[in-house]
Amino acid sequence: ILNVEQSPQSLHVQEGDSTNFTCSFPSSNFYALHWYRWETAKSPEALFVMTLNGDEKKKGRISATLNTKEGYSYLYIKGSQPEDSATYLCAFEKSGAGSYQLTFGKGTKLSVIP
Amino acid sequence: EAGVTQSPTHLIKTRGQQATLRCSPISGHTSVYWYQQALGLGLQFLLWYDEGEERNRGNFPPRFSGRQFPNYSSELNVNALELEDSALYLCASSPGRLGGTDTQYFGPGTRLTVL
Repeated sequence: ILNVEQSPQSLHVQEGDSTNFTCSFPSSNFYALHWYRWETAKSPEALFVMTLNGDEKKKGRISATLNTKEGYSYLYIKGSQPEDSATYLCAFEKSGAGSYQLTFGKGTKLSVIP
Repeated sequence: EAGVTQSPTHLIKTRGQQATLRCSPISGHTSVYWYQQALGLGLQFLLWYDEGEERNRGNFPPRFSGRQFPNYSSELNVNALELEDSALYLCASSPGRLGGTDTQYFGPGTRLTVL
């Protein structure tokens, strides 16, 4: 059974604060690491797909880094805004048999206080 | 471009009944995935269909089944419903891997309640 852990489980920050959270995943049989943002009553929205060790991706104020050798990824949000309030999910995709199948963490729920 | 759509939004059934959930992928996408989110758990992979064939399934009993139609839409069927099948069921689609990674795009989900 693949284990994907996210921390913290939830987080409250003030508007304007920068924040980051962690996704831990197996370091073997790695193919890709996916990040999603899931707002209440909406569909999960794809943020990033990361494949290479040391990869860094950026989308506006959100960025992510990847370390496949030690099995972790960080998601950073700079200058949090109320509209960033959502649950952020990471998902591990393994290589070989079982690829295309995403194993999700339970998510980090971010609340940005105006 | 229309996103992934799912129907119905909510579904209420009683134990032992059958439930049918439907998913329409993004136009041009050939792969459809089904995930379950039960209370307190993360999204759990259920099934993957591509080009009309079941390609992979997660650790769920055989009473969870489905199919993909020639237009790439998909149905998830859950037979002999149990109380613990109450969950949010999400469908996702992807264009199919063209030598690289394949982002899955999710629908809004169907909330199944089993009484």
